[in-house]
Amino acid sequence: SQKIEQNSEALNIQEGKTATLTCNYTNYSPAYLQWYRQDPGRGPVFLLLIRENEKEKRKERLKVTFDTTLKQSLFHITASQPADSATYLCAPLSFVFGPGTRLSVLP
Amino acid sequence: EAQVTQNPRYLITVTGKKLTVTCSQNMNHEYMSWYRQDPGLGLRQIYYSMNVEVTDKGDVPEGYKVSRKEKRNFPLILESPSPNQTSLYFCASSLSIGDRDNEQFFGPGTRLTVL
Repeated sequence: SQKIEQNSEALNIQEGKTATLTCNYTNYSPAYLQWYRQDPGRGPVFLLLIRENEKEKRKERLKVTFDTTLKQSLFHITASQPADSATYLCAPLSFVFGPGTRLSVLP
Repeated sequence: EAQVTQNPRYLITVTGKKLTVTCSQNMNHEYMSWYRQDPGLGLRQIYYSMNVEVTDKGDVPEGYKVSRKEKRNFPLILESPSPNQTSLYFCASSLSIGDRDNEQFFGPGTRLTVL
């Protein structure tokens, strides 16, 4: 059956460090993968889309990689700040979302 | 301002009392969708619409109805709500669902409690 896993339910890191979030999927063959940010009680907000022929994509302090062989995407936030604290969702299909990783950046 | 709006934002109702949650987008998007979000289960798609008068079931459609009479509006209807429909509901829209322009814009959410 199709499944999406995100490395851990919660991740705590120190301010200034790089946060790395993992998205693994099985029985999908997505042509692209999206990442969203969700703050408590609010709707998800689109961050980045990476296509299958792109190994890496960057946007400011965000970097996403996409390995279709491993069926995995990594989401990095460099120089993390407390304002980056949120839940991050991966979506290997437009309407199918992973369970999310709740990131807390500690000052 | 480009946005998706939902109303009401909060609703407490009783079992069996029909209700409608409205959703409207001002971006001329073709694709609209309803999700529910529950702890431990994540976001799950209820219904979606690829254009006016074109709707289809998502993963969890039981107990819900939708309509798409106009491009901008996509109401969610609960004909006879039950307590297991207590959830946080999101409406979303996107220009398309292909591999381009499929970024979804989400509404602010409707927190529904069915007693």
